[in-house]
Amino acid sequence: DTEVTQTPKHLVMGMTNKKSLKCEQHMGHRAMYWYKQKAKKPPELMFVYSYEKLSINESVPSRFSPECPNSSLLNLHLHALQPEDSALYLCASSQDNSLQETQYFGPGTRLLVL
Amino acid sequence: AQSVAQPEDQVNVAEGNPLTVKCTYSVSGNPYLFWYVQYPNRGLQFLLKYITGDNLVKGSYGFEAEFNKSQTSFHLKKPSALVSDSALYFCAVRDYNAGNNRKLIWGLGTSLAVNP
Repeated sequence: DTEVTQTPKHLVMGMTNKKSLKCEQHMGHRAMYWYKQKAKKPPELMFVYSYEKLSINESVPSRFSPECPNSSLLNLHLHALQPEDSALYLCASSQDNSLQETQYFGPGTRLLVL
Repeated sequence: AQSVAQPEDQVNVAEGNPLTVKCTYSVSGNPYLFWYVQYPNRGLQFLLKYITGDNLVKGSYGFEAEFNKSQTSFHLKKPSALVSDSALYFCAVRDYNAGNNRKLIWGLGTSLAVNP
């Protein structure tokens, strides 16, 4: 089973709101990722967690705050977002032990910031 | 620097005809190459990858890809296209920079339209 789940599917929030995106995988993967994707563009890496520790932060603004409570869960906390942050947010996971590892993606959360 | 190019923004093919979506790459070492597909309003789905071994890689949904080292290409192919194959296709290569071996470098994507 190569399933990564994400909730919610859609989210509308104002610029003063605080919300969280959730991601879950039960494949025993030890690396988890957050990506941001604009329409018809490739995904842009935001964060990588490896063995529940943040290993890559691609200079993401602090209004995005990731959290990895355990090896199966990944959250992205959102606060004071801007309209240009509206996008599809994708979570992915992988085995994290070799160059040939495959990243498996969830269906995404479509975020609209008003 | 590692890079991936998908030279065609859009590919149009008639249903039942063979399809090819092109990808070329540039890496400093052995290439680790991936193809993903994205259907409208959906996440990315893994199709296939090349790590080593046979140059012809078979993947999901009847897709295959041919690795050509001399031409630094990894074109995606399918013998007979279906309307349901219409989607956005991304080629990606593993970034070799030290400490970043979990990063993928993505092509800009190719939109495939299969006409009935």
